[in-house]
Amino acid sequence: KAGVTQTPRYLIKTRGQQVTLSCSPISGHRSVSWYQQTPGQGLQFLFEYFSETQRNKGNFPGRFSGRQFSNSRSEMNVSTLELGDSALYLCASSSGQSRIDTGELFFGEGSRLTVL
Amino acid sequence: KNQVEQSPQSLIILEGKNCTLQCNYTVSPFSNLRWYKQDTGRGPVSLTIMTFSENTKSNGRYTATLDADTKQSSLHITASQLSDSASYICVVSATSGTYKYIFGTGTRLKVLA
Repeated sequence: KAGVTQTPRYLIKTRGQQVTLSCSPISGHRSVSWYQQTPGQGLQFLFEYFSETQRNKGNFPGRFSGRQFSNSRSEMNVSTLELGDSALYLCASSSGQSRIDTGELFFGEGSRLTVL
Repeated sequence: KNQVEQSPQSLIILEGKNCTLQCNYTVSPFSNLRWYKQDTGRGPVSLTIMTFSENTKSNGRYTATLDADTKQSSLHITASQLSDSASYICVVSATSGTYKYIFGTGTRLKVLA
């Protein structure tokens, strides 16, 4: 069974640009969540999607957005990039069906974004 | 407010030695607690899951304990190996709240030869 796949693995952008990251969950998983990880900050929750609907959202500015497609694949977009957006962006999928399901999170390898 | 605190922030030990990582939480209503291992530049991978009724669970050289009364968990690593060098993240799940997974900031472990 293939794991969570994130693309691209590495990318470099300049301030003001935008970026789109992609995540393909484990087959059969309908819940996808996104996290930003920076040194010393740990994983910060961005948003969670289930069946194409955003179920939860973290405390990030509106420049951060996401969506989920009918095949459960998800994308996140960051517009007007700032230097502080440099981070490892992780995607996780889970088999949880309901809002209160706390099943295991299966993480992808992440997308390393560097903003110059 | 739901919070997860881990200690120490970082730890350096010699190969073959044991170590214990701590996780204290104030999460309610509690569902479960997981320890994840994250190698540098990779995604986290689950090591163990602890539910309310479980006190101890082992996964090879990794043993997790849970004290639901004091809301503390520990991850004990026996006979450490160089490959144990990684960050260890404690994740506590709640059955209600803004978001159900509360992450600790992790403990960075370095094992030296």
